[in-house]
Amino acid sequence: DAGVIQSPRHEVTEMGQEVTLRCKPISGHDYLFWYRQTMMRGLELLIYFNNNVPIDDSGMPEDRFSAKMPNASFSTLKIQPSEPRDSAVYFCASTDTGTPNTEAFFGQGTRLTVV
Amino acid sequence: GEDVEQSLFLSVREGDSSVINCTYTDSSSTYLYWYKQEPGAGLQLLTYIFSNMDMKQDQRLTVLLNKKDKHLSLRIADTQTGDSAIYFCAESITGGSYIPTFGRGTSLIVHP
Repeated sequence: DAGVIQSPRHEVTEMGQEVTLRCKPISGHDYLFWYRQTMMRGLELLIYFNNNVPIDDSGMPEDRFSAKMPNASFSTLKIQPSEPRDSAVYFCASTDTGTPNTEAFFGQGTRLTVV
Repeated sequence: GEDVEQSLFLSVREGDSSVINCTYTDSSSTYLYWYKQEPGAGLQLLTYIFSNMDMKQDQRLTVLLNKKDKHLSLRIADTQTGDSAIYFCAESITGGSYIPTFGRGTSLIVHP
């Protein structure tokens, strides 16, 4: 398996524009997580899915953020409208809870810059 | 407060040992982890320890777990410049939500 794949790797957009981040988890993994990393706040859990169903979105900062997982192999995180304070690195991760230590596998991240 | 706490920075000289500390709050944590994040990359699992263990050694890495104090540490022997990275402590609870809870990360800076 190629691991967790995120796209794009870098995104620069203007304030007010819609941004869509994409993630392909590892095949067979039943949990998918979206994280945001900034210098000020560290690594924050935004939302996670279990078997494609959103379980906890309490970490989503505002209604401008939404996430979907239409099937087991694809998820999106959308920001509409984007603001400069959304600039961060966004990570997707997946886990297989059938393995004893439930290691989380992370993608390479999407570095978002909103100008 | 945060569930998992770490200091933000650690600076060591090349060749010395590094010790990164972490405290967690959930006494039912089953697995405790150390992840490493190199510049421009995602987090990768470095090592983990099951909660019924006190110590785990893997080459230059030693993990110590004090369940009474809910304290986890990662010792890196003979620290090299390639060890410079951000190190995240995390916990998860088997039988619970399986959600790994991460600390904010400790930036390890290794200087010559």
